Amino acid sequence: DVKVTQSSRYLVKRTGEKVFLECVQDMDHENMFWYRQDPGLGLRLIYFSYDVKMKEKGDIPEGYSVSREKKERFSLILESASTNQTSMYLCASSLLGGTGELFFGEGSRLTVL
Amino acid sequence: GDSVTQMEGPVTLSEEAFLTINCTYTATGYPSLFWYVQYPGEGLQLLLKATKADDKGSNKGFEATYRKETTSFHLEKGSVQVSDSAVYFCALRNTGNQFYFGTGTSLTVIP
Repeated sequence: DVKVTQSSRYLVKRTGEKVFLECVQDMDHENMFWYRQDPGLGLRLIYFSYDVKMKEKGDIPEGYSVSREKKERFSLILESASTNQTSMYLCASSLLGGTGELFFGEGSRLTVL
Repeated sequence: GDSVTQMEGPVTLSEEAFLTINCTYTATGYPSLFWYVQYPGEGLQLLLKATKADDKGSNKGFEATYRKETTSFHLEKGSVQVSDSAVYFCALRNTGNQFYFGTGTSLTVIP
């Protein structure tokens, strides 16, 4: 069964802490994405990557960075967490071309106190 | 720019009722269209998809037809169950490999 795995389902952090959210996919997909999901706002794209060591800003990159050192792994980093980054974070992957869908992980719910 | 607009919820239905969730899109060219479902506390799962005009995607009793003339991809199910309670997202993938999502429609089915 193909899978996108996010390392933590629930995290609680304090303001100012550095936070790492890890995502691994086993489908050999080129594209990987990080979204955040908030009530009433739907999914908003933070960053995406279409290749190792490549990254592109999405709609809301401020306060976030990413790392893609290996094809299967895409990490989201909050350098200094703030309370307005409390959210559900969703990782997804897809093939680079064609008409295929996004495959999502189960999500990481982050609470920043 | 490209976008997806879907019916706002929440939607509450009785078991065995007919479901329609409207979705329209704006995109140049010929995007692929998707419906995703999200159960409480989980990520999004693909429910169905259609990749060209007049295609019908179907899964678990849900259907949606890619209508290029009306730029729509409405989700339907003839008889909903309590287990269908979830949030439903319409999405497109454009020819530039970018994905766009609607804001989601929450469905609650009561026995």
